[in-house]
Amino acid sequence: EPEVTQTPSHQVTQMGQEVILRCVPISNHLYFYWYRQILGQKVEFLVSFYNNEISEKSEIFDDQFSVERPDGSNFTLKIRSTKLEDSAMYFCASLGLVYEQYFGPGTRLTVT
Amino acid sequence: KNEVEQSPQNLTAQEGEFITINCSYSVGISALHWLQQHPGGGIVSLFMLSSGKKKHGRLIATINIQEKHSSLHITASHPRDSAVYICAAAINTDKLIFGTGTRLQVFP
Repeated sequence: EPEVTQTPSHQVTQMGQEVILRCVPISNHLYFYWYRQILGQKVEFLVSFYNNEISEKSEIFDDQFSVERPDGSNFTLKIRSTKLEDSAMYFCASLGLVYEQYFGPGTRLTVT
Repeated sequence: KNEVEQSPQNLTAQEGEFITINCSYSVGISALHWLQQHPGGGIVSLFMLSSGKKKHGRLIATINIQEKHSSLHITASHPRDSAVYICAAAINTDKLIFGTGTRLQVFP
């Protein structure tokens, strides 16, 4: 069964550093999402992406964040200058033909 | 105010019990999702509903669009059902709005 993959599974970075989280959505899906979950809190929407542009973004998704689909398969989330409060689990998801979202296993980002 | 509310927050059960988790939402939705999150953190989609009822094995999900309410039922619960169950409202194709989750522990 096709699945969404994410790399790395765990990323440790120092405050102020740039990080890129990578996702490979399911190949025939057209809508892509990033969500995050701070430890002990609920999952929050960050951004949706369709037709090579941002469809919607949340208040969390400020100028420090960017997304792109550089090569038609990967879908990346970049955080330009990480803050301690960016520590969270980041989930990528893609939308199937019957509108079911398929989630990747997540990347645990730890900012020290 | 949370747009998606779940109850209870925590639930313990003995193996074999019938379990119900409730979800209420205040926004207009295109669909309602039930998700399962295991301790390792991964999220698995269980159901997507826009009306009526769906069943998969021992899991049943129902939705009442007029009352903006959905329930997830687990029949004959088993310790391997222990997980966090999350209700999420789909706003068109743009995003999911998540509830806080219900932590279920089923004891043998």
